[in-house]
Amino acid sequence: GQQVMQIPQYQHVQEGEDFTTYCNSSTTLSNIQWYKQRPGGHPVFLIQLVKSGEVKKQKRLTFQFGEAKKNSSLHITATQTTDVGTYFCAGYRNFGNEKLTFGTGTRLTIIP
Amino acid sequence: GAGVSQSPSNKVTEKGKDVELRCDPISGHTALYWYRQSLGQGLEFLIYFQGNSAPDKSGLPSDRFSAERTGGSVSTLTIQRTQQEDSAVYLCASSLWPGPQHFGDGTRLSIL
Repeated sequence: GQQVMQIPQYQHVQEGEDFTTYCNSSTTLSNIQWYKQRPGGHPVFLIQLVKSGEVKKQKRLTFQFGEAKKNSSLHITATQTTDVGTYFCAGYRNFGNEKLTFGTGTRLTIIP
Repeated sequence: GAGVSQSPSNKVTEKGKDVELRCDPISGHTALYWYRQSLGQGLEFLIYFQGNSAPDKSGLPSDRFSAERTGGSVSTLTIQRTQQEDSAVYLCASSLWPGPQHFGDGTRLSIL
């Protein structure tokens, strides 16, 4: 079955440092989505990437979809305490109505 | 309603009892997912409903777990003869394929 792995599993950064999480799928994806789960909350959709090599930005967050559509990354510039949480990638394979598969997640903690 | 609604928000029960968890998805969303999340862990996929198709039950951990979705809307996850390892937050999400998932606030299940 499809597997989506993320590295690292945990990341502790000093406030103001940059952060990157990487997402790798065992199969080609039709799209990749990113979610953020704050402590005590539920995952919240951030963005969706569809095209090979696509790059999208949301303020300090930069999302990239790999050329082969099997990997993705999320980069946060100059982290803030509000960035604390777990970041999940998730993807659909290119088959009709297949389920969305979530990655293993990266938990980010910020040292003030 | 505007979002995915889950009930109850908290459930405490004794080992061996049966429990029913309810999910009311966003109106018109054809896809409905159940996940389980233990403290500090990732999202464990349980079951996926898509329209009138047969559900994908590949994530159900044992035959004590079952789910149904009536009329393509409300879903109920049933856990029979609960055990302590069933304690977790159970999350429901709905979507339109292949769009983003919208999560409910979850049901926190505690087995004594």
